[in-house]
Amino acid sequence: SYVLTQPPSVSVAPGKTAMITCGGNNIGSKMVHWYQQKPGQAPVLVIYSDSDRPSGIPERFSASNSGNTATLTISRVEAGDEADYSCQVWDTNSGVFGGGTKLTVL
Amino acid sequence: QVQLQQSGPGLVKPSETLSLTCTVSGASISSYYWNWIRQPPGRGLEWIGYISHSGSANYNSSLESRVTISLDTSKNQFSLKLNSVTAADTAVYFCARAAAAINWFDPWGQGALVTVSS
Repeated sequence: SYVLTQPPSVSVAPGKTAMITCGGNNIGSKMVHWYQQKPGQAPVLVIYSDSDRPSGIPERFSASNSGNTATLTISRVEAGDEADYSCQVWDTNSGVFGGGTKLTVL
Repeated sequence: QVQLQQSGPGLVKPSETLSLTCTVSGASISSYYWNWIRQPPGRGLEWIGYISHSGSANYNSSLESRVTISLDTSKNQFSLKLNSVTAADTAVYFCARAAAAINWFDPWGQGALVTVSS
């Protein structure tokens, strides 16, 4: 089965840039979606189809996907960005999630 | 605005069947794809399966032998049944919409914690 690998945690100071990676075999050939999940809440879509932002998601959130790695980038990080971030793809008609990355704002 | 709301027992005994319902408002269940996703405590998300607006279902191969997802168009609801549960099935269960079969999930329900314990 297809595996998505994310770092368990990433830390960043306010105002700096956070980068969260999602590794998978030839993930660049797949569409990657990203979700933000705060404690006790449901996930919220922040990026779809590799790099598109839903309405209401700040422009500070961007993403890319190439080769074996997809990356979510959060610019000018704010305290309110502290959350778990998960990547997701479809493989052979089955949904696959990464294990999630906890973003800590120092 | 589309909203999804899960409902069902929060406690299920081992070997019994877990049953949850997701009620959809703001959209017709006769369109889109309707998914169930779960998250064990402290762990990542796991896709369980979906049912299409036409009633065809697709399941995670690791759960396929135990899971059934169905539609009730008269109530604008869809449901999850997972049989022969064990403690490993303890999780927060989310329902979520996808615009197409292979697509992103948006929006999500608020989640329902189901504990498997005697």
